[in-house]
Amino acid sequence: EDQVTQSPEALRLQEGESSSLNCSYTVSGLRGLFWYRQDPGKGPEFLFTLYSAGEEKEKERLKATLTKKESFLHITAPKPEDSATYLCAVQAVYNFNKFYFGSGTKLNVKP
Amino acid sequence: DGGITQSPKYLFRKEGQNVTLSCEQNLNHDAMYWYRQDPGQGLRLIYYSQIVNDFQKGDIAEGYSVSREKKESFPLTVTSAQKNPTAFYLCASSKGLGDTQYFGPGTRLTVL
Repeated sequence: EDQVTQSPEALRLQEGESSSLNCSYTVSGLRGLFWYRQDPGKGPEFLFTLYSAGEEKEKERLKATLTKKESFLHITAPKPEDSATYLCAVQAVYNFNKFYFGSGTKLNVKP
Repeated sequence: DGGITQSPKYLFRKEGQNVTLSCEQNLNHDAMYWYRQDPGQGLRLIYYSQIVNDFQKGDIAEGYSVSREKKESFPLTVTSAQKNPTAFYLCASSKGLGDTQYFGPGTRLTVL
């Protein structure tokens, strides 16, 4: 069964302390991998789409990378406003109308 | 500004009642989706619609119903047959089926 696993479940960082979040997947033919940010009580906000291994996308302090089996969301010098839950979703070539979501990584950045 | 609206933000239901959650988009997107989010779990797909007057069941459609009479609107009815309806419900839309999905602000449903 296709699965998406995000780790860690929760991450606490000091302001300025860089780190990475992981999203590993088992779909056999990846069509796309999506990163979203979700604030408490709100809907997910789209961040990035990655399509092929080696691809990278950047936005402010966030950089997403993709390999054949996982994606990383690197957070450089985070600020408290980066605190949120980050969701990963994958889309398979053979069933592209379905997004498989991970359960998310809850990031807390302390000042 | 284009976007997706959901109403109400909070909804309380007594057991045995049907309730309808509203989702409207002005992004001119063809595809719309309904997800359910529970603590510690990934989003689970309830229903999706590729085009007006057409919709398909997702992974957890039992106890739910939808309609798609207008391109802009995709309401979700949570029926009394849904045994555990308390959850956060998210509506999304995309330009076409399989394209990047954009989400609304969500509706939190609580069964009393």
